[in-house]
Amino acid sequence: AQKITQTQPGMFVQEKEAVTLDCTYDTSDQSYGLFWYKQPSSGEMIFLIYQGSYDEQNATEGRYSLNFQKARKSANLVISASQLGDSAMYFCAMRGLSGSARQLTFGSGTQLTVLP
Amino acid sequence: DADVTQTPRNRITKTGKRIMLECSQTKGHDRMYWYRQDPGLGLRLIYYSFDVKDINKGEISDGYSVSRQAQAKFSLSLESAIPNQTALYFCATSDAGTGKDEQFFGPGTRLTVL
Repeated sequence: AQKITQTQPGMFVQEKEAVTLDCTYDTSDQSYGLFWYKQPSSGEMIFLIYQGSYDEQNATEGRYSLNFQKARKSANLVISASQLGDSAMYFCAMRGLSGSARQLTFGSGTQLTVLP
Repeated sequence: DADVTQTPRNRITKTGKRIMLECSQTKGHDRMYWYRQDPGLGLRLIYYSFDVKDINKGEISDGYSVSRQAQAKFSLSLESAIPNQTALYFCATSDAGTGKDEQFFGPGTRLTVL
């Protein structure tokens, strides 16, 4: 079974500062994918970034980067130069590559508030 | 624009009523999913379908059924709604042909069961 743990229910960051949102995972699969999604107050789910378990480089997408530490089973999201529009709920998710593990399993989320 | 749409966006119903939530996509994706979101619990998978003839139960399928009418349409039914099915429901799609198989979400349906 897959499990995602996000231990920070809420985080605050000052505008223009960087922030790290924590995510740890547990899986018996050798191959898997890790995802981060953003959910603003309007409710939609927005895909941010993906990391494959065999990717040697940490993923980056603009101001988002994923700090992937495979041995620690962690996949933290780093947002650089925070903006007020980054205030939202952030979900970490993972997907295995075989059988029932092909579905996405989500963490409980972290509510990020960017302060002016 | 290629998109994932859900109807209705909001629905209030009474205990015991049959409800159908519909999802359509113009992305041409083969895989479709239904999730529910409850406060503090993230998203949980109800059912998923990897093609028209493939339907699979997710983590919390009890009390729900689905129908994949076509590649582009995936409906979720609550045969006899109960108050603890009050939640935000999301449909999602993905393309098996991509390596990461990222999921694209619809705007959500807010369902209230009284």
